[in-house]
Amino acid sequence: DAKTTQPPSMDCAEGRAANLPCNHSTISGNEYVYWYRQIHSQGPQYIIHGLKNNETNEMASLIITEDRKSSTLILPHATLRDTAVYYCIVRVAAGLVNNNAGNMLTFGGGTRLMVKP
Amino acid sequence: DAGVTQSPTHLIKTRGQQVTLRCSPISGHKSVSWYQQVLGQGPQFIFQYYEKEERGRGNFPDRFSARQFPNYSSELNVNALLLGDSALYLCASSRDWGDTQYFGPGTRLTVL
Repeated sequence: DAKTTQPPSMDCAEGRAANLPCNHSTISGNEYVYWYRQIHSQGPQYIIHGLKNNETNEMASLIITEDRKSSTLILPHATLRDTAVYYCIVRVAAGLVNNNAGNMLTFGGGTRLMVKP
Repeated sequence: DAGVTQSPTHLIKTRGQQVTLRCSPISGHKSVSWYQQVLGQGPQFIFQYYEKEERGRGNFPDRFSARQFPNYSSELNVNALLLGDSALYLCASSRDWGDTQYFGPGTRLTVL
């Protein structure tokens, strides 16, 4: 799976949009971009994923650049409860998973987002 | 619908002991994965099971083993515990092979 690079930390004012960047310059055409977040001492929470089109759900929006080498997770109106570590993960599409490699998620260091009042 | 459940929530063991952690996937999910998260780091993949068969293994010693039952629940076993095994152990389930993984709350293991 391709490696991702994220800033180690970011701050955001409550009520404002939080834009979390992720670089994945070695991504392959069959790899999805996934975002998870982890609030202190809890299990990671799935947020959103996409292949090449922008995606939106009730939690966030995912913007993927045309060359797919980077993406941005957008939390439109951040609240204090959005304070967490956000992980950007690149993962091969399901039908192409190598059985020997499993279907694992490879977590990097993530971005620690602090939402401030 | 209930999410992924794990038991116990917390566990304290001493070096050399053995531990069994349990995971129940979301109803209808056939795949379970296990991850270890040491304090200050991201989760690291240990195992994945699909339809009761091991489909992937991370870089962990043979002291770590797992299995999946006919009802798709799973157990993670760790033998001869070391201090370095102290971590949050996370279970994730997915509906099918390669689908989105949803995590449980984890089991906090402390080895003294």
